[in-house]
Formats: sequence, structure tokens, C-alpha cells
Amino acid sequence: SQELEQSPQSLIVQEGKNLTINCTSSKTLYGLYWYKQKYGEGLIFLMMLQKGGEEKSHEKITAKLDEKKQQSSLHITASQPSHAGIYLCGAGGNRDDKIIFGKGTRLHILP
Amino acid sequence: EAQVTQNPRYLITVTGKKLTVTCSQNMNHEYMSWYRQDPGLGLRQIYYSMNVEVTDKGDVPEGYKVSRKEKRNFPLILESPSPNQTSLYFCASSLTPSGGSYEQYFGPGTRLTVT
Repeated sequence: SQELEQSPQSLIVQEGKNLTINCTSSKTLYGLYWYKQKYGEGLIFLMMLQKGGEEKSHEKITAKLDEKKQQSSLHITASQPSHAGIYLCGAGGNRDDKIIFGKGTRLHILP
Repeated sequence: EAQVTQNPRYLITVTGKKLTVTCSQNMNHEYMSWYRQDPGLGLRQIYYSMNVEVTDKGDVPEGYKVSRKEKRNFPLILESPSPNQTSLYFCASSLTPSGGSYEQYFGPGTRLTVT
């Protein structure tokens, strides 16, 4: 079965610094989502990537799907306290309709 | 407003007492899904439904039942809850899964404690 591994598990950065979160799949990705979750709350959709090499941006957050479609990275530029939370990558299968998620990356922003 | 609603938001119950967590969406989505989130284990899919009367098991279906009699509703049923089902539960919906082609909209979560 497909698995998604996220790294790092936890990240503490100074406000204003850049950071990157990675999501690696054990199989080819056919759709990769990035979500943000505030502690104990529901998930908020950030971006979806489908094509190898695709890159999308929303405000100061950029996500890329590598050419081989087995890894995605989420990059935050000039981090702010509002970026703090848990970032999860999710993927849909090709042959079935199950959806899986990585275990998440917990991001803390220091003022 | 497009949304997924879950009820109750918080529930404390005792082992063996049947309970139902309701989920409703107002976006006419075909695909609905239940997840549980546990520390260190992340978000895991319990059951999903492609459309009315079509349901299938996710990765952790044991101890749970679902039904999809109407497009908008997808209740999660715990016939005989046990302490290992203490968790944070999320319902989600999307247009269709189609190999991950559509984003999912998540409900606010239900925090369940089974004593």
C-alpha cells in the first residue's frame, strides 16, 4: 500500500525565516494535496498538485511536485506567526479511491 | 456557505454504549469520508463513500459502521465503543476522488472519549 512520509516531523523557526517541508511517497503520486491544520481543528486546503514539475503559490507558500511525481515540497517564505500549525500532505490513489495522509509536520514560529 | 458539519463536537461515553456521529455537507459532493486522527499515527481513513448506497473500507474500519442513504449525510456508527476508539474524528467530502483530483472539505472534528 502507498505511504506518505513527511519531514521534518517538527520544525521551529524564527519569524521572518524561510522553511521547507517535504512529502515523499512510496509510489507514484496521482494527486498531491497540502493542508494546514490548527491544533485540534479541521484541515484547511492549501494547494493541489497533479502534474510532474508543477508548482503553485498562494501568498507566501509555494508547493512543487517533482518530475518523477514521488515527492513534493512546501516552501514558506518570510514566515509569520499565522503560519504556525500542522501541515499535512495527502494523496489519492490511482487504482482505488482511498485517500492517505502523511503524519504531518508541526511548525512553530518564534517571535 | 459551503460547509461540512459534524455533531456532536465533543462526546464522552462509556464502553459498549452505541453512538452515532453525524456528518452533513451542503455542496452536493459525491465522495464522503471519515478519518480518525491520533498522535503519532496521523490521519487515517476509516470508511469512504463514492455515492449514495456505495461505501467501502478505508485503512482502519474495524469497530465502525457507516451508511449513505442520502447524498448529503454520512453518519459514523460505533456499535460497541471501546477505549481504543478514543480519538479525534473528521468527516470530509469532495466532488469525486478520481485519483486525487479534487480537494476535500473537512468538518470541524468530533473529539470522542470512551471510558
